[in-house]
Amino acid sequence: DAKTTQPPSMDCAEGRAANLPCNHSTISGNEYVYWYRQIHSQGPQYIIHGLKNNETNEMASLIITEDRKSSTLILPHATLRDTAVYYCIVRVMDSSYKLIFGSGTRLLVRP
Amino acid sequence: EPEVTQTPSHQVTQMGQEVILRCVPISNHLYFYWYRQILGQKVEFLVSFYNNEISEKSEIFDDQFSVERPDGSNFTLKIRSTKLEDSAMYFCASREAGTQYFGPGTRLTVL
Repeated sequence: DAKTTQPPSMDCAEGRAANLPCNHSTISGNEYVYWYRQIHSQGPQYIIHGLKNNETNEMASLIITEDRKSSTLILPHATLRDTAVYYCIVRVMDSSYKLIFGSGTRLLVRP
Repeated sequence: EPEVTQTPSHQVTQMGQEVILRCVPISNHLYFYWYRQILGQKVEFLVSFYNNEISEKSEIFDDQFSVERPDGSNFTLKIRSTKLEDSAMYFCASREAGTQYFGPGTRLTVL
């Protein structure tokens, strides 16, 4: 089962920041938090990942709490094309590094 | 930017027929994966592959499924005798370090 909990849906206005929360209270010390998104039935698209420090790239920022039990993905200026299902995934530390997807958060960006 | 490619984009087959789904991973990646997503459901891990052998497989990946890396570029998923319940999107992914990158998927429809 997925080790994360996300709200099933959120919405935000175009041009505003979208803040997507994720709880991962059972995360282990060496497990990374990954964020992917899926637009319609396309392949999941990698967004960002982190271990304990906050991270930023050209797509988004990832804020991880000090206790690592939760994180927030921030899309600084959401566009209509950011409408998608966003998955927060704690990557399993096993031999295969497989990803276990939950149900994600369906983000709707409103014009 | 290098990307994972998959062919065909859509495959329609009759129940009981064999299908082969093809993937070309990113060229310097060494770890390969197949996932599937039944319509309206979560993305599910099927199998991981490294160094020409399966490193992990899920309960879904039964004897009807097999994977192969027939040459230096392709990675294939074969379903020996398709069932109606095999209808799904099938996603290939590859990774070099920690991050998996997904292909666009093959939609398999079993009639």
